[in-house]
Amino acid sequence: DAKTTQPNSMESNEEEPVHLPCNHSTISGTDYIHWYRQLPSQGPEYVIHGLTSNVNNRMASLAIAEDRKSSTLILHRATLRDAAVYYCILRDAGSGNTPLVFGKGTRLSVIA
Amino acid sequence: DGGITQSPKYLFRKEGQNVTLSCEQNLNHDAMYWYRQDPGQGLRLIYYSQIVNDFQKGDIAEGYSVSREKKESFPLTVTSAQKNPTAFYLCASSIRGNNSPLHFGNGTRLTVT
Repeated sequence: DAKTTQPNSMESNEEEPVHLPCNHSTISGTDYIHWYRQLPSQGPEYVIHGLTSNVNNRMASLAIAEDRKSSTLILHRATLRDAAVYYCILRDAGSGNTPLVFGKGTRLSVIA
Repeated sequence: DGGITQSPKYLFRKEGQNVTLSCEQNLNHDAMYWYRQDPGQGLRLIYYSQIVNDFQKGDIAEGYSVSREKKESFPLTVTSAQKNPTAFYLCASSIRGNNSPLHFGNGTRLTVT
């Protein structure tokens, strides 16, 4: 599986934007970039995914570099409820229902 | 409400006993997955099933067993052969298609003493 690299932890002030980086230099042409987050003592929840173009949804935006070797998850206004571990995961689109492979993610702390 | 239910939330067992964790979904999803999470770590895949009566081993299947007799249900048995069973266990499901998101339950925290 292609691997991703994320910082172990990040901190943000409440109501400010947060940019969570992810490096995936060995990404293949059929790998989608998926983001999940896990709140304390809960299961992960899907945030967003994309292939080449930037993506927006109600939770976040995903900015993908032109060479696809890195991406950034953007939370436009961090709230205390956004404090969680954020996982950046590559998933091959061509292989059926392949399971997600989780790394350690980035632990985001939000300061009031 | 549609969703994925894991029960119980907390489970305590004595060493040497088998224990079965329940996972039920009413989302009509074809695929189901079991992951294990240890403190401060990411999730590791135990088993997954893409269709009823079929399942595949994940990265850490030793000491675990599963069944998939119904689409809605994917129970996980932690056997006495699993050397370090104490962990947080997470079940997930998804529809067919490799970019369909996984929906996770809220987990079962198993403690074996």
